[in-house]
Amino acid sequence: KAGVTQTPRYLIKTRGQQVTLSCSPISGHRSVSWYQQTPGQGLQFLFEYFSETQRNKGNFPGRFSGRQFSNSRSEMNVSTLELGDSALYLCASSFSETQGIGYTFGSGTRLTVV
Amino acid sequence: AQSVTQLGSHVSVSEGALVLLRCNYSSSVPPYLFWYVQYPNQGLQLLLKYTSAATLVKGINGFEAEFKKSETSFHLTKPSAHMSDAAEYFCAVSEIQGAQKLVFGQGTRLTINP
Repeated sequence: KAGVTQTPRYLIKTRGQQVTLSCSPISGHRSVSWYQQTPGQGLQFLFEYFSETQRNKGNFPGRFSGRQFSNSRSEMNVSTLELGDSALYLCASSFSETQGIGYTFGSGTRLTVV
Repeated sequence: AQSVTQLGSHVSVSEGALVLLRCNYSSSVPPYLFWYVQYPNQGLQLLLKYTSAATLVKGINGFEAEFKKSETSFHLTKPSAHMSDAAEYFCAVSEIQGAQKLVFGQGTRLTINP
């Protein structure tokens, strides 16, 4: 059974550009969440989608957006990149509507903004 | 609001010694609690989870954790450390009902001395 797949693994972008990250959840999983991991702020929740609907959003500026497709694959987009957006972006998927099952995480996309 | 405090950003133990990683949580509603492990350049792997069943939870790789409501703690233990246990460990909390997101502690880096 394939795990959560995130592409690309590494990305280098210039300030002011925009970027799109992709996440393919485990087959059958309908909930997808995104997290940002930085040395200073740790792991922070970005947003969560279930059946193509955003259910929760973290405290990030509007430059961060996401969406989920009918096949549960998800993308997140960051516009007008800033140096502080350099981070490991982790996607996690879950089968259940509730948290009891626990999320399965992908290996992440390492974004470097120069 | 929920929060997690992991006591000790770095813990060092000798191979074969007891591993104890501390986690205290704050939640106004009954929580789900998780421990994740992260190896370098990888995502998060679920070690174990508490979902209001047994208070002593056994996970993978010989780890276990005990939920103590009176102490609002969920400490992670392993009787005998192995070199392969060297990694960063994250404690996380989520609500049983409500926002489907994980709130993480700052992490504890575990070093194993030969």
